Order: sequence, then structure tokens, then C-alpha cells
Amino acid sequence: DQQVKQNSPSLSVQEGRISILNCDYTNSMFDYFLWYKKYPAEGPTFLISISSIKDKNEDGRFTVFLNKSAKHLSLHIVPSQPGDSAVYFCAAPANAGGTSYGKLTFGQGTILTVHP
Amino acid sequence: EAGVTQFPSHSVIEKGQTVTLRCDPISGHDNLYWYRRVMGKEIKFLLHFVKESKQDESGMPNNRFLAERTGGTYSTLKVQPAELEDSGVYFCASSHLPASGEGTDTQYFGPGTRLTVL
Repeated sequence: DQQVKQNSPSLSVQEGRISILNCDYTNSMFDYFLWYKKYPAEGPTFLISISSIKDKNEDGRFTVFLNKSAKHLSLHIVPSQPGDSAVYFCAAPANAGGTSYGKLTFGQGTILTVHP
Repeated sequence: EAGVTQFPSHSVIEKGQTVTLRCDPISGHDNLYWYRRVMGKEIKFLLHFVKESKQDESGMPNNRFLAERTGGTYSTLKVQPAELEDSGVYFCASSHLPASGEGTDTQYFGPGTRLTVL
């Protein structure tokens, strides 16, 4: 039962353009979402998060949008840089309803390649 | 501040052998998690310690896996006997325990241990 889904295995964009990574979820109890970035041979690194009380959170070049009615979130990177090339995971803590910590449920990941 | 460290970085063993993975969390982090990623798929939860207690071990595949966190510091994950399907990358993550009323914790991941069972 895949509660967090990233349906695009890969995405290729040109440097300077916008990268949009998508994530869908099925569990309406999820109330907090995180994006992690992973380089080869490294562990995932926290990138940005969003609480369900918001529909947008911005941090520099990274913006996450949340559409609760559609159970959909997206990560926008603009402008994209070659150093952004990595695997991006969407995740949600499983312990919803008051606390948003605990085991993370991850999507399958999207490989982003940014071409110079 | 040192990050989460894991040892070894790689392990290649034969089916039926035993392997022990170690994780040293960030100092002061009470939460410690183990995850596994198999064949480039999603990262899956294995178990969660709060200090030395197992808070949630619902993701442990079977009784061939044993995790410990004696003293609430570092943790070990033992696989005995290892099977072919145990191959994958094992990640450890740690975080602060949220104070009452706070909702979130940011989990910091180690580099992982790549386990290959032949």
C-alpha cells in the first residue's frame, strides 16, 4: 500500500529553468510533509517541509506547494542548477493527528538531472 | 556538530552469515530510526527508538532482524541469518524528541550501509 507516490521516476531540465517535482498521497491523516534530496552514496538530506495548515512554503530557490483537496504537493526549484541533480524524495510522518513525528513514509523518488 | 555516522559503509556477506550494522546518532537526539532502501525503490521504515526503548518496530521484516540501542546512544541492527532479499542500503536517522505541543521533528540521515548478500 503505497501511501506516498511519486509517479515520475525521472525529470530532466535545463540549467536556469524551473524544475517541478510532484508527489501524491492517499492518507488524509497526513498533516506534515517533507522533501529530502539524496546524492549518490549519501544519505537523504532534509530540504524543505510544509504543514497542512499552509499551502505554500518558500526557502530560497525552493518552494513547496500543498493542495490538500487534491492530496498533492509539488516542489519547485527555480532557477535550477546542475548541483541540484539528485534524487528527490517526498515523505510524510506516519503519526498524524496531533504529532507529526515518527516513522516517515517515503515516495519512490524522482531523479532530477539539470543540464548545463 | 557531527552528523549521523554509520559503520560499515559497505558489507558483502554470504547467505546464512550474520552481519551487524552500527549507527551513531547526533549527540543528544533521543529519536533513532532505521530505514532500508531496496533496489532503488522507496525508503522503507524498519523501526524507531526513543532513547533505549523501541517505540515502533512495525517495519521489521521478520525475526531475523534484531535492533538494539543499549544506553540510548548508538544502535546496532543485526541480521542473522542473512538472506538474499536482505540486500539493500540501510539508513539510520536521528532527531530531537519534540517537546509537548510541538508537532515536528526533522530527521537527519546517515550515509547508509550498503549490504550485499550473495
